Amino acid sequence: NAGVTQTPKFQVLKTGQSMTLQCAQDMNHEYMSWYRQDPGMGLRLIHYSVGAGITDQGEVPNGYNVSRSTTEDFPLRLLSAAPSQTSVYFCASSARYPGSGSPLHFGNGTRLTVT
Amino acid sequence: QKEVEQDPGPLSVPEGAIVSLNCTYSNSAFQYFMWYRQYSRKGPELLMYTYSSGNKEDGRFTAQVDKSSKYISLFIRDSQPSDSATYLCAMSARDYGQNFVFGPGTRLSVLP
Repeated sequence: NAGVTQTPKFQVLKTGQSMTLQCAQDMNHEYMSWYRQDPGMGLRLIHYSVGAGITDQGEVPNGYNVSRSTTEDFPLRLLSAAPSQTSVYFCASSARYPGSGSPLHFGNGTRLTVT
Repeated sequence: QKEVEQDPGPLSVPEGAIVSLNCTYSNSAFQYFMWYRQYSRKGPELLMYTYSSGNKEDGRFTAQVDKSSKYISLFIRDSQPSDSATYLCAMSARDYGQNFVFGPGTRLSVLP
């Protein structure tokens, strides 16, 4: 039972480079989301999706893009990496939207450093 | 005022102690309450989930919700060194379009 799988585990980028963080879940969850976790800031929501073809912005969306072409996958794209995007990124999924009472299940994160 | 407040710690206790972790919140619309445990360099792991007010027990863990005081607690009995982690509270309202709101986490160390 894989749950939420994130790749890669670690990544180092130079300023201005782009990359995609991959997230896949095998639980047939409708809701998927991306968070970043920084010391002293807690978890902050970047983007989320309530189903295939539907995405929306969270608290800190600038510099990131998402798409949801399938139920299983929810990649996060960094368009032009900046040092301020150095963080740990978590993908999380839930059976249904947050207000339904379904809890979030997290992946193990991608640790990104931008130099 | 932040929507969810949580003492960041660190909190150090001896093995076998009873641990009390707490969160306060400001939004009375929150109905679903969760506790997550996060080990170093790992993702948050769902520990306890409760709906509305009341208590829920699972082994050594008890979650309490007091909606009248906007206060939730997680108690750990007979704490073990393996309980050393950061504990995050999270909550959501019972409305479509709302997102989960997380506390900043409390770092706990259980000393052998």
